[in-house]
Formats: sequence, structure tokens, C-alpha cells
Amino acid sequence: NAGVTQTPKFQVLKTGQSMTLQCAQDMNHEYMSWYRQDPGMGLRLIHYSVGAGITDQGEVPNGYNVSRSTTEDFPLRLLSAAPSQTSVYFCASSYTRYITGGYTFGSGTRLTVV
Amino acid sequence: EDKVVQSPLSLVVHEGDTVTLNCSYEVTNFRSLLWYKQEKKAPTFLFMLTSSGIEKKSGRLSSILDKKELFSILNITATQTGDSAIYLCAVFISNFGNEKLTFGTGTRLTIIP
Repeated sequence: NAGVTQTPKFQVLKTGQSMTLQCAQDMNHEYMSWYRQDPGMGLRLIHYSVGAGITDQGEVPNGYNVSRSTTEDFPLRLLSAAPSQTSVYFCASSYTRYITGGYTFGSGTRLTVV
Repeated sequence: EDKVVQSPLSLVVHEGDTVTLNCSYEVTNFRSLLWYKQEKKAPTFLFMLTSSGIEKKSGRLSSILDKKELFSILNITATQTGDSAIYLCAVFISNFGNEKLTFGTGTRLTIIP
């Protein structure tokens, strides 16, 4: 079982560049989400999806886009990277939108914007 | 605004000690409170609590929720160096199609051999 797979693990971008962080899960989970983790701030929700074709904004959506064309994949796009987007990004999934046993997290992507 | 506050922010104890980590919350439409352990990478799920006063236990770890006073504690007895990690508390909120998991900032626990 692969669980939740995030790629890449590390990335350095220049200000203004765009990129896509990939997230894939093989557990047939309906619910997928993206968080960012910054020192002293905890994990903050960026975007989430309750099923294929449905996405919604979280707490800190500005500067990020998502799409959910399949149940398995939930990519996060940075349109024009800024130093404030330097962070560790986690993808998380759950069988349904109603938590019963906690989310499954990917291993994270450490992004640095210079 | 929904808020989850953890204390202390960091804690250093000796192996064998018992520790208590705190999590208080102010949210609307509370459904459950979750504890996670984060070592080097992804948070891993420890407990989910939905009812007041019912202790959840797993080995040396236990947790309890007080929905009247809006807090939870996570206890770790006979600590080991492998318990060194960041412990995250999160509250799940659900309001007619709007579900959200709000995290606290975490408690960094360091166990000295």
C-alpha cells in the first residue's frame, strides 16, 4: 500500500516561477486536502476536495490553485511563487469528508522560494 | 474565528518522566478532537475524541476530552526517547457541508536519555 504519495520531496523555486506539487492516494479516499506548515503557525488548510470535480478553499488559499479530475490525484499549483510561500506542504486524505479515524498524511514537500 | 491553543510550546524531560500536554479550543460546530504525533515527516494519527470524560488509551499514551471546559490533555507515562516529537492537536468542525480540521501550533517534546 503506497498510501498518500507526494512529489517532489524538496524544491527550490525562484520568485515568479510556477510549479505543481503532486499528491496521489491509492486508498479510494473521497476527501483530499492540502496544508502548509510554518514554524509557530501549525498546519493551515489551503484547499480541499470532497470528491472528483469538487474543490473548495481553506484558510489560506491565495496564490494556490487546485483541481480534482480523478479520485486519486489532487495537485496543488503555485501560479507565481513568492518567498512567503516557502513552507512545508502536506497532502492529506480521508475516506469521507466526515472524519472517523483521522487523516492519512503524505510525507511532505519542502518548498523554498528565493 | 476558530482557535486551537496548545501548551506548553516545548517541553524537555528525562526518560522515565510522565508528561501532560494541553489543548484548549474555541470553535463553532465542534465534532471531534484529534491528536497527532509528528516526528521527522508526516503527522501520524494517535487518538480521536468525541465524548467528554471517556479516556482513550494506547500503551503509555492516553487522552481525555472535557467538552464543558473546552480542552483535552494527552498524557505520556514512562517516557522514552522515541516519544520525542511534535504533538499536534486538531479540532474537526462540521457545519452543513463545511468541514474543516483546525490545528494548534503543536508541542515540541524532547526526551533526554
